[in-house]
Amino acid sequence: NAGVMQNPRHLVRRRGQEARLRCSPVKGHSHVYWYRQLPEEGLKFMVYLQKENIIDESGMPKERFSAEFPKEGPSILRIQQVVRGDSAAYFCASSPSLEAGELFFGEGSRLTVL
Amino acid sequence: GESVGLHLPTLSVQEGDNSIINCAYSNSASDYFIWYKQESGKGPQFIIDIRSNMDKRQGQRVTVLLNKTVKHLSLQIAATQPGDSAVYFCAEPGTSYGKLTFGQGTILTVHP
Repeated sequence: NAGVMQNPRHLVRRRGQEARLRCSPVKGHSHVYWYRQLPEEGLKFMVYLQKENIIDESGMPKERFSAEFPKEGPSILRIQQVVRGDSAAYFCASSPSLEAGELFFGEGSRLTVL
Repeated sequence: GESVGLHLPTLSVQEGDNSIINCAYSNSASDYFIWYKQESGKGPQFIIDIRSNMDKRQGQRVTVLLNKTVKHLSLQIAATQPGDSAVYFCAEPGTSYGKLTFGQGTILTVHP
């Protein structure tokens, strides 16, 4: 898990506010994945991005959630109008190529919705 | 396949014992499996992987066994140490190597 930086590590929002989670992949990695982990559950895939492209968003809720990985800067997971059910740990992972069998995970961003 | 629940399976061992953590999968076409360790408050950390053309792979103090007949894999940790205390997940990739489906997870607690 070396090198994937996520911030903020902890975020508290009130219902209806917006949450923005940032992820800087390992230097040189062009594949970024976002996962969500509810308490005492495994990680659930949300979205797979490459630079400026969303490759697979099959795990993203249809509303309020969006993700981007711009040409410059970190990947952003954005949650609009948060609800209490959005409270979870959100993990970002990166890999250098499609063939890599190992993902590097960040330490996660823990969102609490009051 | 994946399963979720509010109460993860737990395994408690004494320091120095060997630990065995199990995982079942449902897709007989799965050809690659990974074990991850997740310590409290941290992200998952890669431990070891295995491809379906193998039935055993060894790392440092860890061994993964794959039984394709019954669709089961296990992670064996030799001489378990307190630092091994964590939640252990098996995972398999989907349409891309990074799109993982995680198993339920097992909480390993090592007592000194």
